Amino acid sequence: AQTVTQSQPEMSVQEAETVTLSCTYDTSENNYYLFWYKQPPSRQMILVIRQEAYKQQNATENRFSVNFQKAAKSFSLKISDSQLGDTAMYFCAFMKTGTASKLTFGTGTRLQVTL
Amino acid sequence: NAGVTQTPKFQVLKTGQSMTLQCAQDMNHEYMSWYRQDPGMGLRLIHYSVGAGITDQGEVPNGYNVSRSTTEDFPLRLLSAAPSQTSVYFCASSEWGDQPQHFGDGTRLSIL
Repeated sequence: AQTVTQSQPEMSVQEAETVTLSCTYDTSENNYYLFWYKQPPSRQMILVIRQEAYKQQNATENRFSVNFQKAAKSFSLKISDSQLGDTAMYFCAFMKTGTASKLTFGTGTRLQVTL
Repeated sequence: NAGVTQTPKFQVLKTGQSMTLQCAQDMNHEYMSWYRQDPGMGLRLIHYSVGAGITDQGEVPNGYNVSRSTTEDFPLRLLSAAPSQTSVYFCASSEWGDQPQHFGDGTRLSIL
């Protein structure tokens, strides 16, 4: 079974600064996907970014980028130029390929962006 | 463009009552799932379906039933609600396997 660990329950960052959220995972699989989901106070689950394990290049989506270290089983999320609207819970998730889109989530990191 | 629609958004039940949480998607997605979210535990998979007529158990299936008679709908049934089932429930769908899931807005369920 896979496990996903987010060791930072809460983080805070000032507006316009950069913050990095950590995620590690444990798996014996070689083919999988990793995701970061954002959950604002509205409770919606919003996909932020996706990384395929077979790709060495780190995924980027505008101000969001990841540092994917497959050998170390690490998948951190970097948010640049933080905005107040980035305040949310952030969940790291793992999905083994060919498993009907079943996700294994970490426990989340609560990010507060301050003025 | 409705996406994944969950009803109701909030519900309070008494222990022992039964209830069905509804989930519908209008994207013709084959894969649908139910997750529960508890404080400090992230989201955990309850049941999932890879198409009409096909369902299977996830990580925490006890106390819940599902069926999938159509591609669009995937209801979750609590036959005899227990306080341990107090949680926020999310339904999700994806077009096919290995695709990111689209989530509904969740149902907050409290069982007294």
